[in-house]
Formats: sequence, structure tokens, C-alpha cells
Amino acid sequence: GNSVTQMEGPVTLSEEAFLTINCTYTATGYPSLFWYVQYPGEGLQLLLKATKADDKGSNKGFEATYRKETTSFHLEKGSVQVSDSAVYFCALTGFQKLVFGTGTRLLVSP
Amino acid sequence: NAGVMQNPRHLVRRRGQEARLRCSPVKGHSHVYWYRQLPEEGLKFMVYLQKENIIDESGMPKERFSAEFPKEGPSILRIQQVVRGDSAAYFCASTGTVDTDTQYFGPGTRLTVL
Repeated sequence: GNSVTQMEGPVTLSEEAFLTINCTYTATGYPSLFWYVQYPGEGLQLLLKATKADDKGSNKGFEATYRKETTSFHLEKGSVQVSDSAVYFCALTGFQKLVFGTGTRLLVSP
Repeated sequence: NAGVMQNPRHLVRRRGQEARLRCSPVKGHSHVYWYRQLPEEGLKFMVYLQKENIIDESGMPKERFSAEFPKEGPSILRIQQVVRGDSAAYFCASTGTVDTDTQYFGPGTRLTVL
């Protein structure tokens, strides 16, 4: 079945550091891929999405490229801020439902 | 332009009581999904509903859990005879009929069973 694997956290960075959170997937067909962010005590907010191979999703300085050949959708940001501290979830669609990774907690210190 | 609304935000129940969680989708959205997030885990799909129809309930526990999305009013997730293991955050999401891939999430209901 469909599944998503993402790197375990926490990822601890200093402000302005470069961020990569790895995400790989297993799926039948050609799913859409997503990154969601969850701030403490809140629901999930859509961060970015990509719907087909080689698509790049981007938002608020975050980027991720849909790589079919490596079945990956790694999240990157060139310069993180303290306000980016949150849990990041990689997800894919399959049969009208989202399949999530386990989440990666990002901690950014000043 | 209201997003997905869920209430209550926090719910405390004693073992054996019933929990009712409500979800109002984005205005104009007719597809609703429920997910459960156990502590320190990702979200797991529970059920997918359209107005008056359950489309996919493959993630719902076989007993004590039920969901509905009536023609009028919010979607309801009902948990009967709650147990401590039901303590979790329950999230509702909705999609429209055009971009059916992108799900918009509510703030969640955090259920605590004492």
C-alpha cells in the first residue's frame, strides 16, 4: 500500500541555517505530494504541494520538488527563522485520502 | 472566508461516556475527512464522507466509532463508551469539487479520557 517515510527529528538548527527534511514515498500510480506544518496546539496548515513529476512546490521560502525517479519530496529552506519551529508532515494522496509520514519536529534557536 | 471549524476544541470524558465531535467544512465544500493523531505520531485516516454518504470508512475502528455528514449541519464523529486509548487529537478536513486533492484542516478536537 501507499506509505510515506520521513526523517526522524528533532532537527535542531540555528537561525539562518539551511534546512533539509527528507521524505520518500511508496505509491501506486501518480499521487499528489504535500508538506503540511503543525504549530504547537494547532491544526495542520498546507505549506506546499506538487501534483506531478518534476513539479516544484514553494511557499514562504520553503521548496520541494517531486522526484519520481527517486520517489522523494524533500523539503528545503535556505535560511530558517525561529518562527519556523514546528512539526512538518510529508503526505501523499491515495484513493481520496491522505497518507502521512510520522512528522519531523524542527527547533530553531536564535 | 471561514475555514474548517471544529468544536469543541478540548473535550474531557470519563471512561464509558460518549464523545461527540463536530466539524463544519469550508463553505461550499461537500467532502469531509476525519483523521486521528495519537501523541507524538502522525495523522491516520479514519473516514471519508460526502453529504449523507459514507464513502470510505476503512480507517474506523470496528466498534464504538461512527460518523455522519447530514444534508444539513456539521459532520459528527461519535465515540461511544470511550476508553483511555481514545485520547488523541481528532482532525477534520474538507475539499471542494474542483481541487479534490487539497485538504484543508480544522484546528482539531483534543479528547482526553480520564
